[in-house]
Amino acid sequence: DAGVIQSPRHEVTEMGQEVTLRCKPISGHNSLFWYRQTMMRGLELLIYFNNNVPIDDSGMPEDRFSAKMPNASFSTLKIQPSEPRDSAVYFCASSLVLRIAGQVSTDTQYFGPGTRLTVL
Amino acid sequence: TQLLEQSPQFLSIQEGENLTVYCNSSSVFSSLQWYRQEPGEGPVLLVTVVTGGEVKKLKRLTFQFGDARKDSSLHITAAQPGDTGLYLCAGADDKIIFGKGTRLHILP
Repeated sequence: DAGVIQSPRHEVTEMGQEVTLRCKPISGHNSLFWYRQTMMRGLELLIYFNNNVPIDDSGMPEDRFSAKMPNASFSTLKIQPSEPRDSAVYFCASSLVLRIAGQVSTDTQYFGPGTRLTVL
Repeated sequence: TQLLEQSPQFLSIQEGENLTVYCNSSSVFSSLQWYRQEPGEGPVLLVTVVTGGEVKKLKRLTFQFGDARKDSSLHITAAQPGDTGLYLCAGADDKIIFGKGTRLHILP
């Protein structure tokens, strides 16, 4: 298995530009997570999809951020317009989330290599 | 809001020494995970602990989950340069919450 695939690995853009980050989860996983990592704030969950449906987007900073998952094998995180404070490493992770008798059990999350975003 | 506090934030020690890092919370989690992250890569899961008081060993690494399932520790025996990295703990319920990590550097 190729693991979680993210593209691009590095992105440098100017303030105000639109940025689109892409993620291909591991085949068979039903959940996908977008995280942002900075030295100051650590690893923050932005949004979480289960079966392609957004379940929790409470971590999305503001309306400039949007995420989609049109099918089980692809997701995008878009920032429009981008700002310097958005500079960070963005990770996508996938896992198998099981719901048995009303209890949610989250299996191992497998992370992609990340996209290092620099907004000038 | 559930928070995980990790300590110390940074630790630099000589090869061969022992060390312990901590992960504490005021919240109870159904399970707790430890990840290691190396530069330029995503976090990789080391272990999941589920039962209060549980102890798991992974070669020279010993993980313990507190009796009340609010805290955990990671002990490394005879640290080696290959142990260098960012160690993250994460509490899991219906989603996973990460601590900010302990950045460990082992000097040869």
